[in-house]
Amino acid sequence: DAGVIQSPRHEVTEMGQEVTLRCKPISGHDYLFWYRQTMMRGLELLIYFNNNVPIDDSGMPEDRFSAKMPNASFSTLKIQPSEPRDSAVYFCASTTTGSGANVLTFGAGSRLTVL
Amino acid sequence: AQSVAQPEDQVNVAEGNPLTVKCTYSVSGNPYLFWYVQYPNRGLQFLLKYITGDNLVKGSYGFEAEFNKSQTSFHLKKPSALVSDSALYFCAVRDIQTGGGNKLTFGTGTQLKVEL
Repeated sequence: DAGVIQSPRHEVTEMGQEVTLRCKPISGHDYLFWYRQTMMRGLELLIYFNNNVPIDDSGMPEDRFSAKMPNASFSTLKIQPSEPRDSAVYFCASTTTGSGANVLTFGAGSRLTVL
Repeated sequence: AQSVAQPEDQVNVAEGNPLTVKCTYSVSGNPYLFWYVQYPNRGLQFLLKYITGDNLVKGSYGFEAEFNKSQTSFHLKKPSALVSDSALYFCAVRDIQTGGGNKLTFGTGTQLKVEL
């Protein structure tokens, strides 16, 4: 298995532009998580899905952020419009109920810089 | 609510010496506890977990952690540190009583630096 695949690895954009981050979880995993990592706030859970359904989006900072999971093998995190304070590394992670409780497999992350 | 605290931003240790990275937790019920490691420009990798049973948990790369319920701690340890252990270490908790699905809460991370 190739693991959790995230794209793009790096994104530089200007304030006000739309940003879309993509994630392909491990095949067979039924949970998918989006985290954001910054020096100031550490690792924050933004949203997670179970069987493609959003379960908890309480960590999504603002209406500018949205996430979808149209099928079991793909999820997107969209920021529109983007702001400099959104600059961070965004991680996607997946797991399965049968994995022995919460052993998350993380992707390599998408480093976003908003100018 | 569930939370973890990692009181040290950085830990420095000489290669060959034992290392300890500290973690304390807070949950309403009983915890699931985890350690993850992050190398530069990489995602987090699972090291070990405590679910139930033996308080001393052994994990990858020679790491172990001890669950102490009375002190609400789950410190990460290794008897002999290697330079290659230098990385960012995260403690995480899930409260199994309050549910919340598979939601993990991570600590702020501790940078481990092992020097020759």
